[in-house]
Amino acid sequence: GQSLEQPSEVTAVEGAIVQINCTYQTSGFYGLSWYQQHDGGAPTFLSYNALDGLEETGRFSSFLSRSDSYGYLLLQELQMKDSASYFCAVRSLVRDNYGQNFVFGPGTRLSVLP
Amino acid sequence: DAGVTQSPTHLIKTRGQQVTLRCSPKSGHDTVSWYQQALGQGPQFIFQYYEEEERQRGNFPDRFSGHQFPNYSSELNVNALLLGDSALYLCASSLGTGDHEQYFGPGTRLTVT
Repeated sequence: GQSLEQPSEVTAVEGAIVQINCTYQTSGFYGLSWYQQHDGGAPTFLSYNALDGLEETGRFSSFLSRSDSYGYLLLQELQMKDSASYFCAVRSLVRDNYGQNFVFGPGTRLSVLP
Repeated sequence: DAGVTQSPTHLIKTRGQQVTLRCSPKSGHDTVSWYQQALGQGPQFIFQYYEEEERQRGNFPDRFSGHQFPNYSSELNVNALLLGDSALYLCASSLGTGDHEQYFGPGTRLTVT
């Protein structure tokens, strides 16, 4: 089967740096995505790693190690508005070469304190 | 540029009934995926539609079915509703089945009583 693990909760203060880890077990791995979801809102895409290494997008960075089946999301200069749930998601093929299947992790609830 | 839209926003149904949820993808997108999200959990992949065909399917029973229309919009149908089907149903669109970036709609909150 396919499974992802993330910490359930993380708390940090404004201006700090926080890292949210994700480990996965899946077949046909094509990449790791990160999504942000505020309470009552829709998930929004943050970043994607298909290859090993670090991808940087503004205050957010994402890292992938395919050999370790591990990735993380790094949030810098935390702001109150960053309080939300963060999901890692593995993109994989389930049946054949058509279509793709996104398996989401359980989510990490980030609370940013003043 | 219109984003992903879903209707209705909220829905209350009785156990055993059937429900149809609708989704219009982001302008220019041709692929639609459906997800079920229970409270406090991550979205669970139901299925993906491309070129009016179901291309991938998650671990959901046949009570969950879908359709994609020539204009790329999509419907999710759930038959014989169970209390456990109560959840937020999210639609996500992308450009082609190889696109890793998905745009999510606001979701339909389904409550089964």
